[in-house]
Amino acid sequence: DAKTTQPPSMDCAEGRAANLPCNHSTISGNEYVYWYRQIHSQGPQYIIHGLKNNETNEMASLIITEDRKSSTLILPHATLRDTAVYYCIVREFGMDSSYKLIFGSGTRLLVRP
Amino acid sequence: GAGVSQSPSNKVTEKGKDVELRCDPISGHTALYWYRQSLGQGLEFLIYFQGNSAPDKSGLPSDRFSAERTGGSVSTLTIQRTQQEDSAVYLCASSPRVPSGGAPDTQYFGPGTRLTVL
Repeated sequence: DAKTTQPPSMDCAEGRAANLPCNHSTISGNEYVYWYRQIHSQGPQYIIHGLKNNETNEMASLIITEDRKSSTLILPHATLRDTAVYYCIVREFGMDSSYKLIFGSGTRLLVRP
Repeated sequence: GAGVSQSPSNKVTEKGKDVELRCDPISGHTALYWYRQSLGQGLEFLIYFQGNSAPDKSGLPSDRFSAERTGGSVSTLTIQRTQQEDSAVYLCASSPRVPSGGAPDTQYFGPGTRLTVL
């Protein structure tokens, strides 16, 4: 079962920042937060992950609250190609079963021209 | 560099026929996964290969499904006597699989094979 809650849909204007929230209030201390996205008719694409510190890479930034109960994925300058379903996942390290990805229903982000 | 590739991209078959789906993982990745995704649904784990260890087949839905990984690289997922409920997109992913105790691995997905059983 997915351990995260995300809004079903969001939209933003092209060129603006897209801020996608995720609630993971039952997260435990050894669980990471991962983000993937799935563009229509493509396989899921890894975006970013973090444990407790904020993270940034060439695709996005991940902001994790101090209590780790929620996080926000930030696409700083959204483009039309960022229209996709975004999945927030919590995964436990140190456990061999952590390899199975379990996606919830995600957030469908629509970037408007 | 080259990502995960899968073939064919689309497969239409008749009920009762056998099908084989192929996955070429990223070079050097030791872990390989198969998932399937039915229309509008999330990922369903099927099977996991890690190096020379015995695969985790716990997600295979029936004994009509099998998979092998030859030489630690290419993998083939076989579905025998296909049924209409097997229609889905079959996704393969690979990862470098960090040693246990580290962060969970990052899985990189292929484009999938869309299987349609008539």
